[in-house]
Formats: sequence, C-alpha cells, structure tokens
Amino acid sequence: GNSVTQMEGPVTLSEEAFLTINCTYTATGYPSLFWYVQYPGEGLQLLLKATKADDKGSNKGFEATYRKETTSFHLEKGSVQVSDSAVYFCALSQTGGFKTIFGAGTRLFVKA
Amino acid sequence: DAGVTQSPTHLIKTRGQQVTLRCSPKSGHDTVSWYQQALGQGPQFIFQYYEEEERQRGNFPDRFSGHQFPNYSSELNVNALLLGDSALYLCASSARQGDGNTIYFGEGSWLTVV
Repeated sequence: GNSVTQMEGPVTLSEEAFLTINCTYTATGYPSLFWYVQYPGEGLQLLLKATKADDKGSNKGFEATYRKETTSFHLEKGSVQVSDSAVYFCALSQTGGFKTIFGAGTRLFVKA
Repeated sequence: DAGVTQSPTHLIKTRGQQVTLRCSPKSGHDTVSWYQQALGQGPQFIFQYYEEEERQRGNFPDRFSGHQFPNYSSELNVNALLLGDSALYLCASSARQGDGNTIYFGEGSWLTVV
C-alpha cells in the first residue's frame, strides 16, 4: 500500500542554518506530494505541494522537488528562523482526491 | 474567505459516553475528510464524505460514524468512548472538481477521554 517515511526528529538547528528534512514515499502511479506544517496547539497548514515528477514546490523560503526516480520529496530551506520551529509532515495523495497519507512528522527546533 | 472551522475546540468526556464534533468546510469546497491525530503522531484518515455519502473509510471501528449535510458541513460521531480515543480530531476540506488532491485543515477539536 501507499506510505510515507520521513526522518525522525527532533532536528535542532541554530538560526540561519540550512535545513533538510528527508521524505521518501511508496505509491503506485503518480501521486501528488505535500508538506504540511503544524505549529504548537494548531491544526496543519499546507506549506507546499508538487503534482508531477520534477515539479518544485516552494513557499516562505521552503522548497521541495518531486523526484520520481528516488521516490523522494525532501524539504529544504536555506536559512531557518526561530519562527520556523514546528512539526513538519510529508504527505501524499493519489489522483481522485481520496485519502491523504501522512508521515509521522519531524519536529524542528530553531535556536536563536 | 472563511477557512475550515471546527467545534468545539476542546472537550472532556467520560469512558462510554458519546461525542459529536462539527466541521464547516472552506468556502467552495464540497468534500470533507476526518482525521485522528494522536500525540506525537501523524494524522490518520478516518473517512471522507462527498455528496452526503461516505466515500472511503480508514481502519477505524464502526464506533466512528459521520454525516454530511446538504450545505457540505459534516459531523463526526464517536460512540462508547475509550481512553485511547483521546486525540486531536482534524477536519479537512477539498473541492472534488479541480484540485481535489489538496486538503485544507481546520484547527481541530481536542478530545480528552477520562
């Protein structure tokens, strides 16, 4: 079945450091891929998405590229801020708009 | 443009009781999905409603049921509550036509079963 695996956290970085959170997936066909972010005590917010191979999703300085050959969708940011501290979830959804499958989440702490 | 709204935000129930959670989808959306998020875990799909019918269901017992109304709003009902049902319950909406793969979440309802 479909699944998402992301790197375990927590990830602790200093402000202005480079961020990578790894995500790989297992799915048939060509799913859409997503990164969601969850701030403490809140619901999930869509951060970025990509719908086909080699697409790059980007938002708020975060980027992720849909790599079909490695079944990966790694999240990157060149310079993190304290306000980026949150839990990040990688997810996939098959064409047809049914359930979205989430990874276990990676908690990020950014120190000033 | 109103986003997804859920109520109540927090509630405490006793084992064996029943609970109803409510959700209004984002404007222009016609599909509602419910997820359960236990502490420290990713959201788990419960079920999805479209055109007032349950379209797909995750691995949850029949104690979990739902409903969608003509105005696209939805309810999640959980009967015979167990301690393990304590979690954040998230409602997500999407538009079946168009970008149906992208779901948008509400802030969630925190359920504590004691």
